[in-house]
Amino acid sequence: QQQVKQSPQSLIVQKGGISIINCAYENTAFDYFPWYQQFPGKGPALLIAIRPDVSEKKEGRFTISFNKSAKQFSLHIMDSQPGDSATYFCAASQHGSSNTGKLIFGQGTTLQVKP
Amino acid sequence: DAGVTQSPTHLIKTRGQQVTLRCSPKSGHDTVSWYQQALGQGPQFIFQYYEEEERQRGNFPDRFSGHQFPNYSSELNVNALLLGDSALYLCASSLKVGYGEKLLFGSGTQLSVL
Repeated sequence: QQQVKQSPQSLIVQKGGISIINCAYENTAFDYFPWYQQFPGKGPALLIAIRPDVSEKKEGRFTISFNKSAKQFSLHIMDSQPGDSATYFCAASQHGSSNTGKLIFGQGTTLQVKP
Repeated sequence: DAGVTQSPTHLIKTRGQQVTLRCSPKSGHDTVSWYQQALGQGPQFIFQYYEEEERQRGNFPDRFSGHQFPNYSSELNVNALLLGDSALYLCASSLKVGYGEKLLFGSGTQLSVL
């Protein structure tokens, strides 16, 4: 019940295209869903996050879509650029001061944007 | 602001040895969480320290232990190293309020166990 399943494992997109990464969770107590971007040799960096009271959140070229009934959420990268080439992780956590900092991560998606 | 600082950046040990990894949180942050990231996998939560006490622990054996100092910096200790302990060890700092979105990760320590 603590798992977060992410797909696809890898993704190749042409410059200017849309990159879509999907995640599914089982624990209905999860109430915070962030996406992290990780470049080689670096730690994950928060990209965008959503709470289950909204179905979509957009920040620049990055959009999270959230489907509470299906227990799924996805990351859309519009107008993908070569600089977006990185590994992307979805994650989930459960509210409560005792759970601060405990993120459950997906397995990751390696995105390559071809020029 | 230097953000989260981890040392060393790389480390090579042999099976059975013990290792200590260090983390300095972002200025103003009071909580440190440690994660293990195996090659090609997502980070896995090891434990979290706040007010110098372990507050939460993931599914890791007692060989993994930690400490938080009064200045909020933290150490991760791993005893009796196994080949399977080879991974990138990430430290993340935060303020102990609200959700996990306040997490700021360091660049990690790459541990190789031979």
